[in-house]
Amino acid sequence: KQEVTQIPAALSVPEGENLVLNCSFTDSAIYNLQWFRQDPGKGLTSLLLIQSSQREQTSGRLNASLDKSSGRSTLYIAASQPGDSATYLCAGIIKAAGNKLTFGGGTRVLVKP
Amino acid sequence: EAGVAQSPRYKIIEKRQSVAFWCNPISGHATLYWYQQILGQGPKLLIQFQNNGVVDDSQLPKDRFSAERLKGVDSTLKIQPAKLEDSAVYLCASSLQGHLTETQYFGPGTRLLVL
Repeated sequence: KQEVTQIPAALSVPEGENLVLNCSFTDSAIYNLQWFRQDPGKGLTSLLLIQSSQREQTSGRLNASLDKSSGRSTLYIAASQPGDSATYLCAGIIKAAGNKLTFGGGTRVLVKP
Repeated sequence: EAGVAQSPRYKIIEKRQSVAFWCNPISGHATLYWYQQILGQGPKLLIQFQNNGVVDDSQLPKDRFSAERLKGVDSTLKIQPAKLEDSAVYLCASSLQGHLTETQYFGPGTRLLVL
């Protein structure tokens, strides 16, 4: 059973458009949810961490929301740039997954100039 | 502040050979994690250390994988013998105390190709 899901697996948008990335999780007993960026051949860069008591976090052009009741998190990237092209992964510390950091499969984003 | 260091960055071996990866966490971080990321998937936790003790190794294939963190600082992950399906990126991460609310910081990973 997939505890964390990201749909779509890939997304392409023109430069300047807002990006909306979705993450779903199966258990409302979640301690936190984290969004990461991964560039090809590189490790993971933490973007935003939302604790279970929070509804959203913001950093620059990035905004992430957390809705435990619906089992969803959304990452918004405003005014996308070609440099935003990367794979975005969400991961949660979820009770149903044994309190391990459990990742979705990622959404591969391409921002076209 | 230096990040999580890993070496080597790339490794190519033939099946049935052995291989070892090294990780040095952020200074002062008590908790160290090893993850396996197969192409096109999210990382999966293999093992978690708290100082030099194992907290969780439930997803570590113990017939071929082993890991140690003898002095509670750097760690080594070994595969012996390697199989084709072990081809993946092996990521090391660390956090301050391993509390469920903490951020995990990831290293650049070691990309393994088993032929």
